[in-house]
Amino acid sequence: TQLLEQSPQFLSIQEGENLTVYCNSSSVFSSLQWYRQEPGEGPVLLVTVVTGGEVKKLKRLTFQFGDARKDSSLHITAAQPGDTGLYLCAGSPSNDYKLSFGAGTTVTVRA
Amino acid sequence: DSGVTQTPKHLITATGQRVTLRCSPRSGDLSVYWYQQSLDQGLQFLIQYYNGEERAKGNILERFSAQQFPDLHSELNLSSLELGDSALYFCASSSASGRTDTQYFGPGTRLTVL
Repeated sequence: TQLLEQSPQFLSIQEGENLTVYCNSSSVFSSLQWYRQEPGEGPVLLVTVVTGGEVKKLKRLTFQFGDARKDSSLHITAAQPGDTGLYLCAGSPSNDYKLSFGAGTTVTVRA
Repeated sequence: DSGVTQTPKHLITATGQRVTLRCSPRSGDLSVYWYQQSLDQGLQFLIQYYNGEERAKGNILERFSAQQFPDLHSELNLSSLELGDSALYFCASSSASGRTDTQYFGPGTRLTVL
């Protein structure tokens, strides 16, 4: 089983619609990171959230870290085809040094 | 472009063989991380080196080994290859060794074992 569970696994929406991707765990994390990976490339870091309840905005992307630091969400407003990609959450539990990744959510935005 | 380079981009080999994947970190970065990405397992951390020393170990098989050289480039050696080793192998680098440090990923090496 994955330490970080992402849902949904796949998401296909029309340009202009909103979407939310979830990342959940039973473990507490000191921080969580969100990456986007495009085909044929490595993951690119989008944001790191470190404080429980923290909300960070990156243009049309809003990231939230749960109060208990066990979950996070990524919300995209008015999605565009350029938002298409694999979105990965990652983090190191408080009692572990290694960075663990969720299985990812494949987002497809249709023009 | 993340500044991390990996060679080769593609590698096709046969079961039982041995291959070496190479990674050059971003200029100034002391940490190098290796990851394996497959369809069924997702992105899995293998091993981390910091300034030439092994820093953390993940789900790395005994058939796999890595090292970081004085010039900070790193190599991942995969031996006695099996069909299940077919995957994308990514290298990432960061300036320090902390788990919250930003990791910059290379473009990956796609390994196909036939």
